[in-house]
Amino acid sequence: QVQLVQSGAEVKKPGSSVKVSCKASGGTFSSYTISWVRQAPGQGPEWMGSIIPIRGRANYAQKFQGRVTITADKATRTAYMELKSLRSEDTAVYYCARADSWGSLVYFQHWGQGTLITVSS
Amino acid sequence: QLVLTQSPSASASLGASVKLTCSLSSGHSSYAIAWHQQQPEKGPRFLMKLNSDGSHIKGDGIPDRFSGSSSGAERHLTISSLQSEDEADYYCQTWDTDIHAVFGGGTQLTVL
Repeated sequence: QVQLVQSGAEVKKPGSSVKVSCKASGGTFSSYTISWVRQAPGQGPEWMGSIIPIRGRANYAQKFQGRVTITADKATRTAYMELKSLRSEDTAVYYCARADSWGSLVYFQHWGQGTLITVSS
Repeated sequence: QLVLTQSPSASASLGASVKLTCSLSSGHSSYAIAWHQQQPEKGPRFLMKLNSDGSHIKGDGIPDRFSGSSSGAERHLTISSLQSEDEADYYCQTWDTDIHAVFGGGTQLTVL
């Protein structure tokens, strides 16, 4: 049974950085896509980027290019999402999700519990 | 551009059925989608993957009350015998090789 456990909530100052972790247990880690999705208060989910740990190279949504870095440590089965130059609009719950494929569809079958990041001075 | 459109809200009575719709933008009518449920104050939960021909596969533990169907560019989620715990936001999601993951705006379902 796949489980994704994320690090805890954080409060950050504008202009700072945050790094959220996502530890996977059960199933295969390295060959599946791990994605990061955020959800601002009252809004729908928004995809930030993905990584396939065995390949190591991440893809990012254009909106976050240059500000987000997604990495994965195969040895510890942990994925990370670092967001820099934080602003108040980055206040959101950040989720990691393991993606599976069904034909050309890539969908999120397993979700982490979410990590609330609050950006406030 | 790939866009998923959902009605912002829906409501139905306890024990009744409701059909939620996700519409794919022009030129993308063959895309498969996934449906996710988000109960209040909880994270998303995968419900099912749904193909353009209506074939669908549900996630582990998803009750038989949940089913999917397709018609042209529309993807539907039907919930029968509505229960109070079905009150939630429902999001459709798909994938595009250029944009990658795309979510609909979500439908907030109220069980009366």
